[in-house]
Amino acid sequence: EVEMTQSLATVSVSPGDRATLPCRASQRISINLAWYQQKPGQSPRLLIYGASIRATGVPARFSGSGSGTDFTLTISSLESEDFAVYYCQQYYEWPRTFGQGTKVEIK
Amino acid sequence: QVQLQESGPGLVKPAETLSLTCTLSGGSFSNGNSYWNWVRQPAGRGLEWIGHVKPSGTTRYNPSLKNRVTIWLDTSKNQFSLTVNSVTAEDTAMYFCARETYHYDNNGYYFFDSWGPGTLVAVSS
Repeated sequence: EVEMTQSLATVSVSPGDRATLPCRASQRISINLAWYQQKPGQSPRLLIYGASIRATGVPARFSGSGSGTDFTLTISSLESEDFAVYYCQQYYEWPRTFGQGTKVEIK
Repeated sequence: QVQLQESGPGLVKPAETLSLTCTLSGGSFSNGNSYWNWVRQPAGRGLEWIGHVKPSGTTRYNPSLKNRVTIWLDTSKNQFSLTVNSVTAEDTAMYFCARETYHYDNNGYYFFDSWGPGTLVAVSS
């Protein structure tokens, strides 16, 4: 099983600032990685797939990068609606596995 | 637009069977590029993939659930269902149904692009 590690449990950011969220896979997964946003009481929302491709309707301030084992989600200029928990997920193999999540909170 | 909705008992006794159903609207199970999944999330914790059923009826499960899980499709009712046997308190979680789509565009991609709102299941006597 591919273990996904999100090393930052919480990131405190001011509105308008940049947030950088790391994610590491326990083995090489090429670009088979997706990112999701989850707000309290809601189901996850797809943001990024293929490590860097924004899903339909996702604002351009969200970007993904990386390949192999190390990946990053960047939110270039945080807006109030972006404060949420973000999960990375690998689809290189089954079982699908998710990171533990990084909470982006208001500084 | 595809919509998914979970339903089922919110309380299950230890050692009994958890049963949930996901109803699909605005779409069809016949699309061979869609897999129909269950994912769960204990309170305050991360997401755990439980398993999926393909339109053909073929299933795949997370080995971590040790053969306690069954997922199947009922196309006549536009539903797919989950059972988890011999539940314990560790099975207490929000349960989501979700569609995983396979998309090809120079490369093959998979992503969970439609989710139900989730249903909370507690295991307690």
